[in-house]
Formats: sequence, C-alpha cells, structure tokens
Amino acid sequence: NAGVTQTPKFQVLKTGQSMTLQCAQDMNHNSMYWYRQDPGMGLRLIYYSASEGTTDKGEVPNGYNVSRLNKREFSLRLESAAPSQTSVYFCASSDPSGSGGGYNEQFFGPGTRLTVL
Amino acid sequence: AQSVAQPEDQVNVAEGNPLTVKCTYSVSGNPYLFWYVQYPNRGLQFLLKYITGDNLVKGSYGFEAEFNKSQTSFHLKKPSALVSDSALYFCAVRDWGGATNKLIFGTGTLLAVQP
Repeated sequence: NAGVTQTPKFQVLKTGQSMTLQCAQDMNHNSMYWYRQDPGMGLRLIYYSASEGTTDKGEVPNGYNVSRLNKREFSLRLESAAPSQTSVYFCASSDPSGSGGGYNEQFFGPGTRLTVL
Repeated sequence: AQSVAQPEDQVNVAEGNPLTVKCTYSVSGNPYLFWYVQYPNRGLQFLLKYITGDNLVKGSYGFEAEFNKSQTSFHLKKPSALVSDSALYFCAVRDWGGATNKLIFGTGTLLAVQP
C-alpha cells in the first residue's frame, strides 16, 4: 500500500516549457487535490476533483490544467511555465465523508519540487 | 469568509518543556479542524482532528489539541517536547463553501525544539 505517489520528485524547466505532474493513489479515494506550497503562504489549492469525472478550480488555478484520468490518477499540467510557478506541488486524496457523519482527513504525497528559470 | 490563522511563524521551546502551537479559525458551518505536520522535504502527515465531541483531542506522537468554541481556537499541545518534534505544523479547517469537500490551511508554524 503506497498511499499517494507523485512523479517526478524534482524538475527544472525553462520559461515557456510545458510539463505534466503525475499523481496516483491506491486507497480507493473519491476526492483528489493539487496544492502548491510557497514560503509564508501555506498550502493553496490549485484544482480538485470531488469524484472521478469531475474537476473544479481552487484558489489559484491560473496557468494550470488538470485531468482526472480515472479514480486512481489525477495529473496537473503546466502548459507554458512561468517563474511564478516555481514551487513545491503536493497531491492529496481523501474520502471526505466518514461513517456516522464524520469527516476524514486528506492524505498527501511526497511532493514535486519545481523550478522555472 | 472562512479562514485559519496561525499567529506565530516560529515557536522555540527547550526539549522536555511543554509546547503550544496556536491556531484560530473562522467558519460559517460546524468547525471541522485538523493539524498536520511536515518534516523537511516530506509531504504533510495527519496528526489529529476535531469533528465533534470531547474538546480535548488526542493524536499521533503524543500530541493533543484543545477545541475552544468561545475563543474559536484549536491549539496544538504536547506536555514534553522532543528534538524530533522540530518541523512545520499546519492547522486546517473544512471549507463549507461550495458543494465539495476542501480544506483551508493556515500559513504554518515552524517548531524548533532545542536540546
């Protein structure tokens, strides 16, 4: 049981290049999320997918696109990278609704450290 | 607007002393509150949560948190700090806006435990 996995771990891009960050989870969770982490800003939600087949914008979606490929996989694409997208990117998953009206936590991947020159 | 505030960027404590990491919140619905820890170059790990019930919640690694509705706070505590507790700590609250399940995170507090 690997939990949430992300590839690659590190990436350096030049301005204008494109790339896709991959995320997969093996916990059969319905919901998946992409965050970016910047110093002093905490975690900010880029996009999320409440369930397979749906995606929605989060707090900072500009410059990004996502694809919920299937229940396990949720990818994040940068079409034309900019230096402002230099950040650490985290994928997370959850099954929010717990039994008896509970609410479950999110599980995080190890992150992708992206530098855009 | 719903939000979480962590008023301290950094907390310094000596090993063996009690520690407190502060969190206050503002939500439109019931406060579902979480604490996560992030060790260097790692992802976030879940520590504990408050959904309902007892105001004192116990979690992983000896941490606990106290929910205080009147002060809208959810402070993280540990009776005796360890050097290995040094990490970045995030408080989060469920976002009741919209139709899906999201968390709003604070900006994080760096805990430094000196030997």
